[in-house]
Amino acid sequence: DAMVIQNPRYQVTQFGKPVTLSCSQTLNHNVMYWYQQKSSQAPKLLFHYYDKDFNNEADTPDNFQSRRPNTSFCFLDIRSPGLGDAAMYLCATSRIRGGSTEAFFGQGTRLTVV
Amino acid sequence: SQQGEEDPQALSIQEGENATMNCSYKTSINNLQWYRQNSGRGLVHLILIRSNEREKHSGRLRVTLDTSKKSSSLLITASRAADTASYFCATDAKGSSNTGKLIFGQGTTLQVKP
Repeated sequence: DAMVIQNPRYQVTQFGKPVTLSCSQTLNHNVMYWYQQKSSQAPKLLFHYYDKDFNNEADTPDNFQSRRPNTSFCFLDIRSPGLGDAAMYLCATSRIRGGSTEAFFGQGTRLTVV
Repeated sequence: SQQGEEDPQALSIQEGENATMNCSYKTSINNLQWYRQNSGRGLVHLILIRSNEREKHSGRLRVTLDTSKKSSSLLITASRAADTASYFCATDAKGSSNTGKLIFGQGTTLQVKP
């Protein structure tokens, strides 16, 4: 059973056209993450939520925004995608327990900017 | 500050051989985790080792942690072609408010030849 679901798996958007990626979870985890991963690179943390508290990474461009309307859903909004934003976007969840942050990942959304 | 540098970047071995990957980090941590990623997919959690542990085993996996050197190693014994994947270490920094922030290293791409 899928526990962290990302939609769509593949997204093509036009240069400068806003795009939203979605993530849902059935694990009731309190932490949700968005990572950007470019080819042959490590996942780069964009931001994460601890419950409703939003934590933005200092080097995440303003072009990237996120919303978490409830525990189960989290969205990544790219306001004006550039060619450099083409990447795999990974959503993950975890439940902080005894200092452990084991993360569960979705299958990712591969974003192409044309 | 960046967590989790890994070496080697790429490793190619024959089936049946052991594979060792190393990870170094910069700040104090609560725990260190290893993840596996098949090409174009999400990451899958393999094993977690806490900062007060030195070694941990899970099946064919053996992880060591040396907090004095801020380094960890992942050993895969008796490798199989199905072990071909990228392997990443991830750390959560100690001393913060423990928001669940999880940072990944650069990863090692392992190829196991049949």
